[in-house]
Amino acid sequence: SAVISQKPSRDICQRGTSLTIQCQVDSQVTMMFWYRQQPGQSLTLIATANQGSEATYESGFVIDKFPISRPNLTFSTLTVSNMSPEDSSIYLCSVWTSGDYNEQFFGPGTRLTVL
Amino acid sequence: GQSLEQPSEVTAVEGAIVQINCTYQTSGFYGLSWYQQHDGGAPTFLSYNALDGLEETGRFSSFLSRSDSYGYLLLQELQMKDSASYFCAVRDQGNFNKFYFGSGTKLNVKP
Repeated sequence: SAVISQKPSRDICQRGTSLTIQCQVDSQVTMMFWYRQQPGQSLTLIATANQGSEATYESGFVIDKFPISRPNLTFSTLTVSNMSPEDSSIYLCSVWTSGDYNEQFFGPGTRLTVL
Repeated sequence: GQSLEQPSEVTAVEGAIVQINCTYQTSGFYGLSWYQQHDGGAPTFLSYNALDGLEETGRFSSFLSRSDSYGYLLLQELQMKDSASYFCAVRDQGNFNKFYFGSGTKLNVKP
C-alpha cells in the first residue's frame, strides 16, 4: 500500500499568481501522477513525473503552465502558473503499485480556487 | 482514442443490490478499474480487472467482458455510506501508466 499526503489542502489565489502543490509518498515509487478534477467532473491526467527525467505531459497540458519537479522517489511538486479562474479545480497526486496486486492510491487532493 | 460511458445517476435502497455499468470504445487497453469518491474526498481505488470475468472484494464485485466492450461494478447489501460517485477507467494500451476515466455515476442510497 501507499500513503500519500499533499500540501496545501486548499488555497484561494489571485489571478496571475502561481501555486506549488507538494506530494509526499511514504514509500519509494518510480512514477507519480498528477490529475486534475474540475468541479463536478471526472479526473484528467495532467502528467507523469519520473525521478531523474522530465515529466511526460498529456495532450492539452504544457510544462510552462504546469511545471513539475521530481527530486527523489518519494516526493513531487506541481506548480500551477499564471493562474486564471479556469484553473480552479482539485489537483490530485497518485501512485500505482504493481506486482502481486495492482492498486492505485490518491492523495487527499488540493482544492484550488482562483479569483 | 478512448471513450467511456456510465449512467450519470443511480438510486437504490439500503440493503439492495445495484449494478453500475461502464461501456467503452477503445483502441486497446490493459484493464478496467473502478473508484469510489465521496463528496469532498479523494478517489479510492476499488478494483482492477486485467482479465475477463468477475473479481470479488467483499460487498463489491467488478466484471469485465472485452468481447462486449463492457464492464460493471456490483455493490451488494447497500449501506448509506455507499452513497458516492463511482468512476470506471481503462488503462491505456499505448501508455501503460495512463488511465482514461469515465464521467462517473452518482449513487444515491436511500433508507
